[in-house]
Amino acid sequence: GAVVSQHPSRVICKSGTSVKIECRSLDFQATTMFWYRQFPKQSLMLMATSNEGSKATYEQGVEKDKFLINHASLTLSTLTVTSAHPEDSSFYICSARVPTSGGGDTQYFGPGTRLTVL
Amino acid sequence: AQKITQTQPGMFVQEKEAVTLDCTYDTSDQSYGLFWYKQPSSGEMIFLIYQGSYDEQNATEGRYSLNFQKARKSANLVISASQLGDSAMYFCAMREGPNTGGFKTIFGAGTRLFVKA
Repeated sequence: GAVVSQHPSRVICKSGTSVKIECRSLDFQATTMFWYRQFPKQSLMLMATSNEGSKATYEQGVEKDKFLINHASLTLSTLTVTSAHPEDSSFYICSARVPTSGGGDTQYFGPGTRLTVL
Repeated sequence: AQKITQTQPGMFVQEKEAVTLDCTYDTSDQSYGLFWYKQPSSGEMIFLIYQGSYDEQNATEGRYSLNFQKARKSANLVISASQLGDSAMYFCAMREGPNTGGFKTIFGAGTRLFVKA
């Protein structure tokens, strides 16, 4: 199946710094990528939908100025957590939407990035 | 309003037995997709099975089958012959159509499955 990678897998940063997380589709082109956040023992919460070449669409309650998303190419989307604070510590997962024949689609998930803000 | 409901926070099953994980959903869309994912402690999301809203037959993938009851809006996952490696968190998810959900996939709260030896 299709492979989605994320880098880094883990990051620890100081409060107030910015962290960039990369999401790459390795063997396919993804016009749409999604960013999720997962707190411990909770479900995945959709943060935003990232479309190549256009501005991301953020879910209600997600600060677009804090979570900057750039989808500059068909294989790369980045999430930058600006001025990170301890409450931003979470597991961030990206996924790529791949249309399938017959009008359907499927999603492939990256392995996730664990962010810890001290 | 919660669109995906998983009412079982935790489930225990004896090795080699079958287990059913419940999932109900809510949508006004006619075209939607239902998914089940497994998330082990490593955190990766592993796709298990997919059911399209127009699929008349229940989906099956190896030991996984999806009991799709459209009128009841339920999409329960059945795991047959449970194995110790099946111990993980299981998420039910729904992807609505472009007009309703913009192809977004939303997840239920999850069910943690424990397989006993």
